[in-house]
Amino acid sequence: DAGVIQSPRHEVTEMGQEVTLRCKPISGHDYLFWYRQTMMRGLELLIYFNNNVPIDDSGMPEDRFSAKMPNASFSTLKIQPSEPRDSAVYFCASSLPPGEQYFGPGTRLTVT
Amino acid sequence: AQSVAQPEDQVNVAEGNPLTVKCTYSVSGNPYLFWYVQYPNRGLQFLLKYITGDNLVKGSYGFEAEFNKSQTSFHLKKPSALVSDSALYFCAVRDFSGNTPLVFGKGTRLSVIA
Repeated sequence: DAGVIQSPRHEVTEMGQEVTLRCKPISGHDYLFWYRQTMMRGLELLIYFNNNVPIDDSGMPEDRFSAKMPNASFSTLKIQPSEPRDSAVYFCASSLPPGEQYFGPGTRLTVT
Repeated sequence: AQSVAQPEDQVNVAEGNPLTVKCTYSVSGNPYLFWYVQYPNRGLQFLLKYITGDNLVKGSYGFEAEFNKSQTSFHLKKPSALVSDSALYFCAVRDFSGNTPLVFGKGTRLSVIA
C-alpha cells in the first residue's frame, strides 16, 4: 500500500487566496483525520471523519476553514481566505477502528 | 477526558547509552497507548502500541515501551541510542472502549550526540 497520500507537498500563497489541501487515505480505513502542526501550538486535531461523515470539527479554528470527504478515498481541507497565521504543516491521517493512525507526509503551507 | 503528558521538551543522550523518553497518561477506562516518531520534514511514524498483555512492548528500530498501570506511565526506551534516533517523539492515548481519536502529547525532542 502506498500509505496516506497528500498533495501538494508545499504550497506558497498570498494572503486572501483560497487554498485547497488534498488527502487520499489508506484503502479500507474508516477514519480520516486532519491535523495542523506549528512550533507554537504543536500538533492540533482539526476535524475527523468516520465513513465519510464529519464527526467532530471542534478543532477547526475559524469559519475560513472547511473540510469535505465526498468519498472513501478522498478528502479536502480548504482555507478561504488564507491568512499568514495559517502557515503551518497540515497532516492527514487514517485508521481502522480502534487502531493506530497512519500519517501522510504533510503539506507545508506558507501564506505571505 | 483523556490526556497525555510528556514532561521533558528535550532529552540529550550520548550515542551508545540507554535512552528513556517519559510519558504519563490519564483516561477514564483502560488505555490504548502509542508512540510515534517524527523525523525532520516528515509525517509522524508509528513505533509501537500497547493494548493488553505484556507490560513490555517491543516496536520498530529497537525501541520498547513499558506500561505501568499504577504509575499511569508508558515510557519509551532503547538500550543503546544511535545518532539516527534523533527526532521528535510523541506519546498518544485513547480510551480502549471508545471510538475517539488519539490524544497526543506535546512531543519530546531527542538528541543523540556522537
